[in-house]
Amino acid sequence: DIQMTQSPSSLSASVGDRVTITCQASQDIGNYLNWYQQKPGKAPKLLIYAASNLETGVPSRFSGSGSGTDFTFTISSLQPEDIATYYCQQYDNLPLTFGGGTRVEIK
Amino acid sequence: EVHLVESGGGLIQPGGSLRLSCAASGFTVSSNYMTWVRQAPGKGLEWVSVIYSGGTTYYADSVKGRFTVSRDNSKNTLYLQMNSLRAEDTAVYYCARVVTWRFDPWGQGTLVTVSS
Repeated sequence: DIQMTQSPSSLSASVGDRVTITCQASQDIGNYLNWYQQKPGKAPKLLIYAASNLETGVPSRFSGSGSGTDFTFTISSLQPEDIATYYCQQYDNLPLTFGGGTRVEIK
Repeated sequence: EVHLVESGGGLIQPGGSLRLSCAASGFTVSSNYMTWVRQAPGKGLEWVSVIYSGGTTYYADSVKGRFTVSRDNSKNTLYLQMNSLRAEDTAVYYCARVVTWRFDPWGQGTLVTVSS
C-alpha cells in the first residue's frame, strides 16, 4: 500500500498568513494526488485535483504543486473561513490512501 | 444539481449486520464510479470500497470479505452491506461520486456505532 505522510499534523496561523502543508508519498505517484478540505461536522470537499488543478468554484488563494513523491498545498492568504482539516489522497494505486490530515487554526 | 444522501446508520451490536444506502440525484449512479469512505470518531479518512461503472468492485483489506458494495439502477442508489461488524468499524460513512478519481460530491455521511 502507498503511505501518505502529511505534515504538520496541525498549525496555527494569523489571518493573511501564507500556509503550507506537505504530503509525501511512499513511492512515486506521478501527479495522482488530490487535496480535500473538511470543516468540523461536515463532509470533505475537493479543492485540488491532479496535484495542481483548482476545482471549479474554489478560491484562487488555494493551490497545489509537486509530482513524484513530494507535494505541497498552499493557502496564500489565510481567511477565517479556511479553518478546517486538510487531507491529501493518492489515486495511483488501490487501495486509495489518505494522508493523516492537517488541522489549520487561526492564531 | 448533483447530490448524495446517505442513510441506514445506527447502533448495532458486534457481529451484527447493517446496510447503508446512498441515494443520488442529478446524475446516474450506474454510469459512474462510486466510492465509500469512512471516518472513525476524531480520526482521519479511510477509503473503504469502490464500484466501477462496469460493476467491478474493490475493497480495503480491513473490510474485505465482510462488506459488499452494490447498486440499484432503478432506484439510482448505492449500497454498502456490512456484515460481521466490529467495534473498529464505528465511523461516519460517506459515499462519493468518483470522476477521474476525484471524489466529488460527497454525501453528508451516516454514523455507524458498533457497541454492545
